[in-house]
Amino acid sequence: DAGVIQSPRHEVTEMGQEVTLRCKPISGHNSLFWYRQTMMRGLELLIYFNNNVPIDDSGMPEDRFSAKMPNASFSTLKIQPSEPRDSAVYFCASSLLYTEAFFGQGTRLTVV
Amino acid sequence: GIQVEQSPPDLILQEGANSTLRCNFSDSVNNLQWFHQNPWGQLINLFYIPSGTKQNGRLSATTVATERYSLLYISSSQTTDSGVYFCAVANQAGTALIFGKGTTLSVSS
Repeated sequence: DAGVIQSPRHEVTEMGQEVTLRCKPISGHNSLFWYRQTMMRGLELLIYFNNNVPIDDSGMPEDRFSAKMPNASFSTLKIQPSEPRDSAVYFCASSLLYTEAFFGQGTRLTVV
Repeated sequence: GIQVEQSPPDLILQEGANSTLRCNFSDSVNNLQWFHQNPWGQLINLFYIPSGTKQNGRLSATTVATERYSLLYISSSQTTDSGVYFCAVANQAGTALIFGKGTTLSVSS
């Protein structure tokens, strides 16, 4: 298996623009997680899905952030409009429920 | 929510030295993982260890779930061991991993 695949690897955008991050989980996994990593806050959970259903989105910082999982093999995290403080590395991870989680390589987002 | 504390925050070693990293957590867990974040930012799975002891080469880990801590041992450290080591746990209430702040390890030759 290719592991968790995220795209793009790097994204530079201007403040106010819409940003969409993509994730393909490991085939057969039924849990998917989005995390954000910054120097100030470390690795923080944004949202997670079980069987394509959002379970906990309490970590989503604002209404500007939204996440979807239309099927078992694809998820998106959207920021609209983006702000400079959204600059971070965004990780997607997947697992079988209650078992080992595996992370993608991350998307480094820079909002200027 | 569950709290995860890692110590020490920073560790500087000479190549060949041994080290022990600690992870304390505030509640019972059904998942505990150790990760190594390399200088390129990739999160690499080291151990999935909600309880017991595991070994993988120069690395080993022990989780004492009843006392709410886990230890990661690195023996004969190499420069390639440098990076940040994270402990992450998930408790009975949910399945998402909560991360500690990490231990930054620097190994010099």
